[in-house]
Amino acid sequence: GNSVTQMEGPVTLSEEAFLTINCTYTATGYPSLFWYVQYPGEGLQLLLKATKADDKGSNKGFEATYRKETTSFHLEKGSVQVSDSAVYFCALIPSGSARQLTFGSGTQLTVLP
Amino acid sequence: NAGVTQTPKFRILKIGQSMTLQCAQDMNHNYMYWYRQDPGMGLKLIYYSVGAGITDKGEVPNGYNVSRSTTEDFPLRLELAAPSQTSVYFCASSRDLTSGKSKAGELFFGEGSRLTVL
Repeated sequence: GNSVTQMEGPVTLSEEAFLTINCTYTATGYPSLFWYVQYPGEGLQLLLKATKADDKGSNKGFEATYRKETTSFHLEKGSVQVSDSAVYFCALIPSGSARQLTFGSGTQLTVLP
Repeated sequence: NAGVTQTPKFRILKIGQSMTLQCAQDMNHNYMYWYRQDPGMGLKLIYYSVGAGITDKGEVPNGYNVSRSTTEDFPLRLELAAPSQTSVYFCASSRDLTSGKSKAGELFFGEGSRLTVL
């Protein structure tokens, strides 16, 4: 079946540090890949997406590249801010007909000033 | 723009009581979902619907029921509440996930309903 595996958290960084949150997936064909972010006390919101191999999704300084050869979609940001503190979820929609997203377990990020 | 609206935001139930969590969206989305999120955990899909009159079980449907009589509304019913149902519940909606359009796969979430069963 389809699955998403994220690096375990929590992750704690100092402001302006480099961020990587690893995400690998299992799915047949070419799924669409997503990163969602959940700020404290809120629902999830889409951060970025990529729909085909070698696509790079980007938003708010975050980037992730769809790597078919390593089945990965790692989230990166060059310089994190305190306001980036949140839980980050990797997710996929399998190719073909799909009725739901498959989410990873989430990674808690805390950025200290 | 309202988006996805959930009510109530907070509720405390006694064991064995029943209640309905309301969810409404004004984006004319066909797909709607109910998730639960336990403390420090990821999301678990309870039920989903791909259109009015159509509902399907997700990963953890036991103890819950849903209905979808209109495109806008997707209420979640808890019968005989149990402490194991203490959680934060999120409703979400989306377009057809595989429509091929640029927004395919974007779920819009409500702010959540925090339920405690004592």
